[in-house]
Amino acid sequence: EADIYQTPRYLVIGTGKKITLECSQTMGHDKMYWYQQDPGMELHLIHYSYGVNSTEKGDLSSESTVSRIRTEHFPLTLESARPSHTSQYLCATRRRTGDTGELFFGEGSRLTVL
Amino acid sequence: GQQVMQIPQYQHVQEGEDFTTYCNSSTTLSNIQWYKQRPGGHPVFLIQLVKSGEVKKQKRLTFQFGEAKKNSSLHITATQTTDVGTYFCAGVYFGNEKLTFGTGTRLTIIP
Repeated sequence: EADIYQTPRYLVIGTGKKITLECSQTMGHDKMYWYQQDPGMELHLIHYSYGVNSTEKGDLSSESTVSRIRTEHFPLTLESARPSHTSQYLCATRRRTGDTGELFFGEGSRLTVL
Repeated sequence: GQQVMQIPQYQHVQEGEDFTTYCNSSTTLSNIQWYKQRPGGHPVFLIQLVKSGEVKKQKRLTFQFGEAKKNSSLHITATQTTDVGTYFCAGVYFGNEKLTFGTGTRLTIIP
């Protein structure tokens, strides 16, 4: 059972607000990821980290930013939310085992920007 | 760019019928993984295939990795209502640890 916690699960906010989506894990995994997924659609990698103080942009350009100050914590921030940011954001972890090893996903944060 | 194409996008089957989804990559993969996402849920890992021509079974699910390591399939025998969801493949390319997800196949079951 994966121990990945995402908060909030649901968030409805107005345009221009700053938001932070939290992701915490208790498994001690080095690798963490943020995926964006519209309903019924594919997953797009927007950020990833291979360890503390390591962050990289993913394949899909995103206006969000991330930080990795502690191994267990990988928050995602939007400075000024817009309706185009409405989506589900999934956090995931992976053990550091080269290019193998499965992803463990959190339950996701569903963001709606009005 | 590296892409993993997945077909079909949707599949509606009668309960008890079989179901297959296919993934294809234009470039050789290091390995491929399969995930299932229930409606309203998050993706859950099913299996990983690493070897050329590998076949793995999990009860009614059979996973195959092509000889050239460019394609993969998931076959479900005698579908049940619990199989409902979207099935994603995710490929890993040599020299790149990131997973590239396919577009997914949404399976619905007609009771």
